[in-house]
Amino acid sequence: AQSVTQLGSHVSVSEGALVLLRCNYSSSVPPYLFWYVQYPNQGLQLLLKYTSAATLVKGINGFEAEFKKSETSFHLTKPSAHMSDAAEYFCAVSDGSSNTGKLIFGQGTTLQVKP
Amino acid sequence: DSGVTQTPKHLITATGQRVTLRCSPRSGDLSVYWYQQSLDQGLQFLIQYYNGEERAKGNILERFSAQQFPDLHSELNLSSLELGDSALYFCASSDLAGGETQYFGPGTRLLVL
Repeated sequence: AQSVTQLGSHVSVSEGALVLLRCNYSSSVPPYLFWYVQYPNQGLQLLLKYTSAATLVKGINGFEAEFKKSETSFHLTKPSAHMSDAAEYFCAVSDGSSNTGKLIFGQGTTLQVKP
Repeated sequence: DSGVTQTPKHLITATGQRVTLRCSPRSGDLSVYWYQQSLDQGLQFLIQYYNGEERAKGNILERFSAQQFPDLHSELNLSSLELGDSALYFCASSDLAGGETQYFGPGTRLLVL
């Protein structure tokens, strides 16, 4: 069975500081991995996805993530935080098969950006 | 705007009642997914339909059912509602059956009193 663990339910950084949100996954088959962002009272917006091509994936708004198979990790980073990055971030995995694309989500990490 | 629409945005109802949530996928998308977001359970996959057929099932209660119509819109029916069913229900769509990016709608917030 697949699962996702996001380390840290709340992360607080200063504006301009590095953002690092941690995600570890468990999957018995090559996974597809996703990061989504949810702003208050809104739906989920895709930041980036890994689908077995390049291990370093660049997304929107300056975010990127690196797939590390040996560590079963897919951590999300941004070099310099902006106030507008404050939101909840979800890591998700699907099994990459053509049978179903159902997503298994982590518990989410709330990012706070301090001025 | 993801292109996925959900109605209604908010729904307040009483225990024991039945409600229907509606989702219109992005133009051309054949798959519709339903997810439930609650404080205690987080984001959970409920069910997937692909081109009118049920494709995958998650932890969906027997009191809940869904269907996808020939025009590809989908409805999630929740019956015999309980207080614990209060949650945000998201619909997502993708163009194929698996692995592709899912685009999420704005959600329907259900409050059961």
